[in-house]
Amino acid sequence: ETGVTQTPRHLVMGMTNKKSLKCEQHLGHNAMYWYKQSAKKPLELMFVYNFKEQTENNSVPSRFSPECPNSSHLFLHLHTLQPEDSALYLCASSQAAGGAPNSPLHFGNGTRLTVT
Amino acid sequence: AQTVTQSQPEMSVQEAETVTLSCTYDTSESDYYLFWYKQPPSRQMILVIRQEAYKQQNATENRFSVNFQKAAKSFSLKISDSQLGDAAMYFCAYRRDNAGNMLTFGGGTRLMVKP
Repeated sequence: ETGVTQTPRHLVMGMTNKKSLKCEQHLGHNAMYWYKQSAKKPLELMFVYNFKEQTENNSVPSRFSPECPNSSHLFLHLHTLQPEDSALYLCASSQAAGGAPNSPLHFGNGTRLTVT
Repeated sequence: AQTVTQSQPEMSVQEAETVTLSCTYDTSESDYYLFWYKQPPSRQMILVIRQEAYKQQNATENRFSVNFQKAAKSFSLKISDSQLGDAAMYFCAYRRDNAGNMLTFGGGTRLMVKP
């Protein structure tokens, strides 16, 4: 049990499909994050939610749409993606986005997305 | 903008030996935090060790220790008595003070441990 659970573990979708990635944390944290991990590139922060409010959008294209209905759940809705969006999408949580590093990030196992 | 560089795409170490992974970063800030994360095949990123820039003493966590050289902007990770379970991708990360938990990651180093 990682404390941060992501589903599905793998996802293959066509460019015209609509799908959603789900993240759930069982740690009582108030901040949640989406990161993108592409091959041969450093992890890139996509979105940050703090107490259900989006506090950071790192210039992410609108074909990625996040949703945070409560502090325990985070979604990433996908539509009309491109093949270059294929990557590992990692969710993370922490006590609060403005906290000290005594509130480290806890990551899930990621969703491996392939866009065909 | 801050950047984090890991110049070693791959490293190899014999079981029970010691290995050092390199990391350099670029920042104009004086207060910040540095981290090493491990990503095994399970894909989950696991925090290994962290260092506050205002602390001169190098952080240590069991077999893991860092060599933090603030003036040189260097933050290397030393793994002692390497074990097969240490095989993973290792990522160095930077966070400036009062920046929430928004980390800037390096490109990673793949560590292989030979039995």
